[in-house]
Amino acid sequence: DGGITQSPKYLFRKEGQNVTLSCEQNLNHDAMYWYRQDPGQGLRLIYYSQIVNDFQKGDIAEGYSVSREKKESFPLTVTSAQKNPTAFYLCASSISTPLAFGGTDTQYFGPGTRLTVL
Amino acid sequence: AQKVTQAQTEISVVEKEDVTLDCVYETRDTTYYLFWYKQPPSGELVFLIRRNSFDEQNEISGRYSWNFQKSTSSFNFTITASQVVDSAVYFCALYPYNFNKFYFGSGTKLNVKP
Repeated sequence: DGGITQSPKYLFRKEGQNVTLSCEQNLNHDAMYWYRQDPGQGLRLIYYSQIVNDFQKGDIAEGYSVSREKKESFPLTVTSAQKNPTAFYLCASSISTPLAFGGTDTQYFGPGTRLTVL
Repeated sequence: AQKVTQAQTEISVVEKEDVTLDCVYETRDTTYYLFWYKQPPSGELVFLIRRNSFDEQNEISGRYSWNFQKSTSSFNFTITASQVVDSAVYFCALYPYNFNKFYFGSGTKLNVKP
């Protein structure tokens, strides 16, 4: 079945550690996104990538890093510089971004990773 | 400014009641897309509907219906004869064509009690 997978589902981190959240999709989508969700709040964009080997900062990129070496994969690293990393992280993908194809396409989401800093 | 407002933080209804979730958006773009997503307790966002700014036709899908009114910048979502399985957080989102990103509302938590 096609879809987006995120692992792990739950992640615990000690202060000062970097952790990497995995996001894989087999939908053949070009664009991938990382969002952060805090309790009772909406989604905030961390990073997005329109194509392999390229990515752009979103609204809250500080303390995070990403890579896009393969079309299917868009891992997110939460670094020790992120002061308040405890949150729910959602990865999404879409066929394309609007500027490339003159329109937008729906974002489909993975199941999320809940990160807790101990 | 590009913005989505979901003023209802939480709504509780009894099963079989109808319920409307409000969504008001702001954008200067004349071309934009509006979305609704459902987030059940499991956490994954589930896509429900997408509309573009040139199509104001209302849409019905089973017990779900959407009312898009450009005159009031609203894209409201109605669930008819609600069921316990409808309990979730519902997000409205805006995609202005020239801004190349999604703007999500803060969500409305719907509790449907048996």
